[in-house]
This record gives sequence, C-alpha cells and structure tokens, in this order.
Amino acid sequence: DQQVKQNSPSLSVQEGRISILNCDYTNSMFDYFLWYKKYPAEGPTFLISISSIKDKNEDGRFTVFLNKSAKHLSLHIVPSQPGDSAVYFCAASSWERSGYSTLTFGKGTMLLVSP
Amino acid sequence: ETGVTQSPTHLIKTRGQQVTLRCSSQSGHNTVSWYQQALGQGPQFIFQYYREEENGRGNFPPRFSGLQFPNYSSELNVNALELDDSALYLCASSPGLALSSYNEQFFGPGTRLTVL
Repeated sequence: DQQVKQNSPSLSVQEGRISILNCDYTNSMFDYFLWYKKYPAEGPTFLISISSIKDKNEDGRFTVFLNKSAKHLSLHIVPSQPGDSAVYFCAASSWERSGYSTLTFGKGTMLLVSP
Repeated sequence: ETGVTQSPTHLIKTRGQQVTLRCSSQSGHNTVSWYQQALGQGPQFIFQYYREEENGRGNFPPRFSGLQFPNYSSELNVNALELDDSALYLCASSPGLALSSYNEQFFGPGTRLTVL
C-alpha cells in the first residue's frame, strides 16, 4: 500500500518553461512534506519543504503547494533550467507513537529539461 | 562541516552471505536512519538509531540490524542475503528526532549492493 504516490514516472520540459511535479498521499497523519532531488550516483538532496499548516512555500525558482483536502502537493519550478534535470522525490513525514519521525517516499519523477 | 559519507560505494555478494555497510554522519547529528532503494522505487525506511539505540523500524525482517557509535558512525548489517536485497542503501543523519524545517535529514551517496 503506497502512502505517497508520484503517478508520473517522467516529465519533459523546455528550458525557460514551468515544470510541475505532482504528488498524492493517503495518510492524513503526515504533517510535513518535502521534495528531494537526486542525481545519479548521489544521495537525495533536500530541495524544499512545507508544513501541513501552510498551503504554499516558495524558495527562489521553487514553489511547493499543499492541498490538504485533496491530499495533494505539487512542486513548481519556474523557469526550468537544464541543470534541473534529475529525479525528484516527494516525501512525507509523521511522528510515530514510539517516538520518532521518518520519511515515506514516492517512487520519483524523472525531470528532463531540454535547451 | 563534512557531509554524510558511506562505504563501500559498490559491493557484490552471493546469496546467503552477510554484509556490513558503513555510514559516517555529520558531526553533531545524533540520529541516523537507513533506507533501501530498489530499482525504480523510492527509498524505503529500514530503521532509525538515536543515541546508539534503535528507536524505530520499518517493515524489514530481523536479519537487517544496525549499530550506532558515539563517534557519529553507524553500520547496517544484513544476514542471509537474498537476491531481493540488491538495492541502493542510503543512510541519512539529522540533528534530532522530529523532522522539520530546522531539523532535516541529510543523505549520503549510498552503497550499491548486488546479490548474485
């Protein structure tokens, strides 16, 4: 049972245009959401996050939107650059009763930005 | 400030063998989590160590075990290797337990394990 779903395995965008990556979740206990970027042969790198009490968080070219009623979040990259080409993971966190929080990841979306 | 490092980079083992993977956390980070990333999947939580004790575990059998040491290093041990254990193993360190905008997990580059 996948609690975090990224239904688009890949996305191709032209340089300068907007990239929109989507993520759906099922666990209403998730209280913190993150996007990670991963290049081949490297570990995931934190990109941007949002708390469940907010609906938008912006950092430069990256904006994350959270729609709690729809259990949906999206990452917007504007303008897209060729260096943004990577696999993007959506992840969600909840505090477990036994006293820890960890990340549940989606399967990832491979973004390709062409010049 | 050094990042999270992992060794070895790649490893090939045969079914039934045992393997130890190592991770060095960022200085001052007392929490380390291990993840398994199978091909085409997202990272899946194995377990977490806090101050040298396991304090959380995902849906992995007991043959997956770990250790955390006072010098911010940790190990993931896997006994009786199976073909399905072939994956990228990631460790991530964080300064505390509760994830937030000021307490995030930093990932290492991973160890690619192949079981033949």
